[in-house]
Amino acid sequence: DAKTTQPNSMESNEEEPVHLPCNHSTISGTDYIHWYRQLPSQGPEYVIHGLTSNVNNRMASLAIAEDRKSSTLILHRATLRDAAVYYCILRDRGTSGTYKYIFGTGTRLKVLA
Amino acid sequence: GAVVSQHPSRVICKSGTSVKIECRSLDFQATTMFWYRQFPKQSLMLMATSNEGSKATYEQGVEKDKFLINHASLTLSTLTVTSAHPEDSSFYICSARDFGQERYTFGSGTRLTVV
Repeated sequence: DAKTTQPNSMESNEEEPVHLPCNHSTISGTDYIHWYRQLPSQGPEYVIHGLTSNVNNRMASLAIAEDRKSSTLILHRATLRDAAVYYCILRDRGTSGTYKYIFGTGTRLKVLA
Repeated sequence: GAVVSQHPSRVICKSGTSVKIECRSLDFQATTMFWYRQFPKQSLMLMATSNEGSKATYEQGVEKDKFLINHASLTLSTLTVTSAHPEDSSFYICSARDFGQERYTFGSGTRLTVV
Protein backbone atom coordinates (compact mmCIF):
# COMPACT_ATOMS: atom_id res chain seq x y z
CA ASP A 1 0.00 0.00 0.00
CA ALA A 2 1.25 3.46 -0.81
CA LYS A 3 2.06 5.30 2.41
CA THR A 4 2.02 8.91 3.47
CA THR A 5 4.16 10.65 6.07
CA GLN A 6 3.06 13.77 7.90
CA PRO A 7 4.35 15.70 10.90
CA ASN A 8 2.50 14.70 14.06
CA SER A 9 1.54 18.23 14.99
CA MET A 10 1.78 21.85 13.91
CA GLU A 11 0.78 25.18 15.35
CA SER A 12 -0.40 28.31 13.66
CA ASN A 13 -1.58 31.71 14.69
CA GLU A 14 -5.09 32.72 13.83
CA GLU A 15 -5.49 34.64 10.57
CA GLU A 16 -2.13 33.43 9.27
CA PRO A 17 -1.49 30.92 6.46
CA VAL A 18 -0.71 27.32 7.28
CA HIS A 19 1.26 24.90 5.14
CA LEU A 20 0.70 21.26 6.00
CA PRO A 21 3.22 18.96 4.29
CA CYS A 22 2.81 15.36 3.23
CA ASN A 23 5.37 12.96 1.79
CA HIS A 24 4.26 10.11 -0.43
CA SER A 25 7.40 8.89 -2.13
CA THR A 26 5.86 5.55 -3.19
CA ILE A 27 2.90 7.11 -4.98
CA SER A 28 1.92 5.37 -8.19
CA GLY A 29 1.04 7.10 -11.41
CA THR A 30 -2.70 6.79 -10.98
CA ASP A 31 -2.97 7.58 -7.26
CA TYR A 32 -5.00 10.64 -6.38
CA ILE A 33 -3.91 12.69 -3.37
CA HIS A 34 -6.80 13.37 -1.03
CA TRP A 35 -6.91 15.54 2.07
CA TYR A 36 -9.43 15.20 4.83
CA ARG A 37 -9.71 16.71 8.26
CA GLN A 38 -11.30 15.38 11.40
CA LEU A 39 -12.72 17.44 14.21
CA PRO A 40 -13.03 15.82 17.66
CA SER A 41 -15.68 13.11 17.83
CA GLN A 42 -16.66 13.53 14.20
CA GLY A 43 -16.09 11.62 11.01
CA PRO A 44 -13.48 12.92 8.56
CA GLU A 45 -14.49 15.80 6.32
CA TYR A 46 -13.31 16.21 2.74
CA VAL A 47 -10.98 19.14 2.12
CA ILE A 48 -9.46 18.81 -1.34
CA HIS A 49 -7.92 16.38 -3.79
CA GLY A 50 -5.65 16.43 -6.82
CA LEU A 51 -3.66 14.31 -9.23
CA THR A 52 -0.86 16.35 -10.79
CA SER A 53 -1.80 20.01 -10.96
CA ASN A 54 -2.26 22.41 -8.08
CA VAL A 55 -5.86 22.75 -6.96
CA ASN A 56 -7.86 25.46 -5.23
CA ASN A 57 -11.27 25.43 -3.62
CA ARG A 58 -13.14 27.42 -1.00
CA MET A 59 -11.50 25.62 1.87
CA ALA A 60 -7.88 25.33 0.83
CA SER A 61 -5.25 24.96 -1.86
CA LEU A 62 -3.26 21.89 -2.71
CA ALA A 63 0.25 22.21 -4.06
CA ILE A 64 1.64 19.04 -5.62
CA ALA A 65 5.34 18.59 -6.28
CA GLU A 66 6.38 18.04 -9.87
CA ASP A 67 7.54 14.49 -9.10
CA ARG A 68 4.35 13.93 -7.08
CA LYS A 69 6.32 12.56 -4.16
CA SER A 70 5.07 15.24 -1.84
CA SER A 71 2.22 17.70 -1.50
CA THR A 72 1.26 20.61 0.71
CA LEU A 73 -2.16 21.61 1.93
CA ILE A 74 -2.44 25.35 2.30
CA LEU A 75 -4.97 27.05 4.52
CA HIS A 76 -4.75 30.68 3.52
CA ARG A 77 -6.05 32.17 6.78
CA ALA A 78 -6.32 29.81 9.69
CA THR A 79 -9.26 30.21 12.04
CA LEU A 80 -9.96 28.52 15.35
CA ARG A 81 -12.45 26.29 13.56
CA ASP A 82 -9.61 24.89 11.45
CA ALA A 83 -8.10 23.17 14.49
CA ALA A 84 -8.34 19.50 13.58
CA VAL A 85 -6.35 16.45 12.52
CA TYR A 86 -5.50 16.69 8.84
CA TYR A 87 -5.00 13.50 6.89
CA CYS A 88 -3.22 13.15 3.58
CA ILE A 89 -4.41 9.99 1.86
CA LEU A 90 -3.55 8.24 -1.35
CA ARG A 91 -6.48 6.59 -3.03
CA ASP A 92 -5.28 3.03 -2.85
CA ARG A 93 -6.59 0.44 -5.27
CA GLY A 94 -7.08 -2.86 -3.47
CA THR A 95 -6.62 -6.23 -5.02
CA SER A 96 -10.36 -6.51 -5.66
CA GLY A 97 -10.36 -3.32 -7.68
CA THR A 98 -12.09 -1.38 -4.93
CA TYR A 99 -10.49 1.91 -4.07
CA LYS A 100 -9.75 2.10 -0.36
CA TYR A 101 -8.55 4.87 1.88
CA ILE A 102 -5.64 3.96 4.12
CA PHE A 103 -5.17 6.59 6.80
CA GLY A 104 -1.77 7.58 8.14
CA THR A 105 -1.20 9.28 11.46
CA GLY A 106 -2.22 12.75 10.25
CA THR A 107 -1.15 16.17 11.49
CA ARG A 108 -2.85 17.68 14.50
CA LEU A 109 -3.19 21.39 13.79
CA LYS A 110 -3.47 23.74 16.71
CA VAL A 111 -4.58 27.29 15.98
CA LEU A 112 -3.60 29.93 18.49
CA ALA A 113 -5.86 32.91 19.09
CA GLY B 1 -23.47 16.98 -1.74
CA ALA B 2 -23.40 13.33 -0.77
CA VAL B 3 -24.51 12.61 2.79
CA VAL B 4 -23.82 9.52 4.86
CA SER B 5 -25.85 9.03 8.00
CA GLN B 6 -24.74 6.84 10.87
CA HIS B 7 -26.93 5.63 13.72
CA PRO B 8 -26.71 5.58 16.66
CA SER B 9 -24.19 8.29 17.42
CA ARG B 10 -23.54 6.86 20.86
CA VAL B 11 -24.30 3.51 22.42
CA ILE B 12 -23.48 1.89 25.72
CA CYS B 13 -23.92 -1.84 26.06
CA LYS B 14 -23.16 -4.55 28.54
CA SER B 15 -20.32 -6.95 28.02
CA GLY B 16 -21.45 -10.04 26.12
CA THR B 17 -24.27 -8.36 24.23
CA SER B 18 -24.40 -7.42 20.55
CA VAL B 19 -24.70 -3.97 19.06
CA LYS B 20 -25.79 -2.98 15.56
CA ILE B 21 -24.60 0.19 13.86
CA GLU B 22 -26.29 1.47 10.71
CA CYS B 23 -24.73 3.40 7.87
CA ARG B 24 -26.99 4.95 5.24
CA SER B 25 -26.25 6.85 2.07
CA LEU B 26 -29.04 9.42 2.01
CA ASP B 27 -29.01 10.84 -1.49
CA PHE B 28 -27.00 8.36 -3.51
CA GLN B 29 -26.57 4.66 -3.98
CA ALA B 30 -23.46 2.94 -2.72
CA THR B 31 -22.52 -0.54 -3.85
CA THR B 32 -19.50 -0.35 -1.57
CA MET B 33 -19.18 1.05 1.91
CA PHE B 34 -16.26 0.97 4.31
CA TRP B 35 -16.07 0.50 8.05
CA TYR B 36 -13.34 2.00 10.20
CA ARG B 37 -12.47 1.86 13.86
CA GLN B 38 -10.65 4.60 15.73
CA PHE B 39 -9.21 4.39 19.22
CA PRO B 40 -8.52 7.56 21.22
CA LYS B 41 -5.64 9.66 19.90
CA GLN B 42 -5.13 7.23 17.03
CA SER B 43 -5.85 7.26 13.33
CA LEU B 44 -8.68 5.50 11.55
CA MET B 45 -8.09 1.83 10.90
CA LEU B 46 -9.93 0.19 8.02
CA MET B 47 -11.81 -2.85 9.23
CA ALA B 48 -13.73 -4.08 6.22
CA THR B 49 -15.25 -3.32 2.86
CA SER B 50 -18.98 -3.85 2.68
CA ASN B 51 -20.28 -5.01 -0.71
CA GLU B 52 -23.94 -4.82 -1.65
CA GLY B 53 -25.37 -8.26 -2.27
CA SER B 54 -22.20 -10.15 -1.43
CA LYS B 55 -19.85 -10.94 1.42
CA ALA B 56 -17.81 -8.27 3.07
CA THR B 57 -14.06 -8.21 2.66
CA TYR B 58 -12.20 -7.96 5.96
CA GLU B 59 -8.78 -6.49 6.55
CA GLN B 60 -6.10 -8.69 8.00
CA GLY B 61 -6.52 -9.22 11.72
CA VAL B 62 -10.21 -8.29 11.85
CA GLU B 63 -12.44 -11.12 13.06
CA LYS B 64 -15.30 -11.55 10.61
CA ASP B 65 -17.37 -13.57 13.08
CA LYS B 66 -17.12 -10.82 15.64
CA PHE B 67 -17.81 -7.90 13.33
CA LEU B 68 -20.73 -8.94 11.15
CA ILE B 69 -21.40 -6.79 8.13
CA ASN B 70 -24.57 -6.83 6.08
CA HIS B 71 -25.09 -4.70 2.98
CA ALA B 72 -28.59 -5.69 1.96
CA SER B 73 -29.48 -2.64 -0.10
CA LEU B 74 -27.75 0.05 -2.12
CA THR B 75 -28.22 2.59 0.66
CA LEU B 76 -27.69 0.62 3.87
CA SER B 77 -24.82 -1.25 5.46
CA THR B 78 -24.85 -2.50 9.02
CA LEU B 79 -22.03 -3.47 11.35
CA THR B 80 -22.90 -5.74 14.26
CA VAL B 81 -20.40 -6.10 17.05
CA THR B 82 -21.18 -9.51 18.52
CA SER B 83 -20.45 -10.54 22.10
CA ALA B 84 -18.97 -7.14 22.79
CA HIS B 85 -16.20 -6.73 25.33
CA PRO B 86 -14.68 -3.59 26.86
CA GLU B 87 -11.77 -3.75 24.42
CA ASP B 88 -14.28 -3.27 21.58
CA SER B 89 -15.08 0.18 22.94
CA SER B 90 -14.11 2.53 20.17
CA PHE B 91 -15.30 5.08 17.61
CA TYR B 92 -16.73 3.33 14.56
CA ILE B 93 -17.01 5.25 11.30
CA CYS B 94 -18.42 4.31 7.92
CA SER B 95 -17.87 5.83 4.52
CA ALA B 96 -19.23 5.55 1.01
CA ARG B 97 -18.67 7.06 -2.40
CA ASP B 98 -21.14 8.58 -4.74
CA PHE B 99 -19.82 7.41 -8.08
CA GLY B 100 -20.50 10.81 -9.52
CA GLN B 101 -17.75 12.14 -7.26
CA GLU B 102 -14.10 11.26 -6.80
CA ARG B 103 -14.15 11.48 -3.02
CA TYR B 104 -15.62 9.45 -0.23
CA THR B 105 -18.08 10.77 2.31
CA PHE B 106 -17.87 9.74 5.94
CA GLY B 107 -20.55 9.27 8.53
CA SER B 108 -20.42 11.18 11.78
CA GLY B 109 -19.31 8.10 13.69
CA THR B 110 -20.67 5.91 16.48
CA ARG B 111 -19.11 5.96 19.93
CA LEU B 112 -19.42 2.46 21.39
CA THR B 113 -18.79 1.94 25.09
CA VAL B 114 -18.91 -1.60 26.45
CA VAL B 115 -19.28 -1.83 30.21
